Amino acid sequence: GAVVSQHPSRVICKSGTSVKIECRSLDFQATTMFWYRQFPKQSLMLMATSNEGSKATYEQGVEKDKFLINHASLTLSTLTVTSAHPEDSSFYICSARQPGLAGYNATYEQYFGPGTRLTVT
Amino acid sequence: RKEVEQDPGPFNVPEGATVAFNCTYSNSASQSFFWYRQDCRKEPKLLMSVYSSGNEDGRFTAQLNRASQYISLLIRDSKLSDSATYLCVVNPISSGSARQLTFGSGTQLTVLP
Repeated sequence: GAVVSQHPSRVICKSGTSVKIECRSLDFQATTMFWYRQFPKQSLMLMATSNEGSKATYEQGVEKDKFLINHASLTLSTLTVTSAHPEDSSFYICSARQPGLAGYNATYEQYFGPGTRLTVT
Repeated sequence: RKEVEQDPGPFNVPEGATVAFNCTYSNSASQSFFWYRQDCRKEPKLLMSVYSSGNEDGRFTAQLNRASQYISLLIRDSKLSDSATYLCVVNPISSGSARQLTFGSGTQLTVLP
């Protein structure tokens, strides 16, 4: 299957600092990438949809000025958590949709990066 | 009501047992359905897609009932390595060109020796 990488895998930062997380599709071009957040014992919650060459689409309740997304190329999307606070500590996972069939039989499988565990102290 | 609801679990079963997970979804216009597996502190990985006709992959069988908006996953002859959280995932009708997935909260399975 398609390979998606994330960097860093783990980061610990102090409250008030900013953290950048990179998501790369290694063997395919992804016009759309997705950013999720997962708190302990909870499901993945979509934060935003990252579109190459255009602004990201944020889910309701997600502050776009706090979670900056840049999708500068077909293989790279970045999420920057600005002025991080302890409540931002979470597991951040990106995914990319591998282009598949179009139309009625379109496939929507997504491949996930290994995740970034952010701890804000 | 949650868009995707799953059995709360956890399920603790002995090796070799058969276990079934259920899932319901609220959006009748949903187009695609999947089961993902997530190991502790890892990313979700696609286990199998779910088709209307039902599909089987080795010990795993997935079924979809569109009329009841119900999805199931059956694991036969469970192995210790099957221990994980199983996520029911639905692709609702798209908004624009984005293909978003909606995740259930997951069902935790522990297979005991």
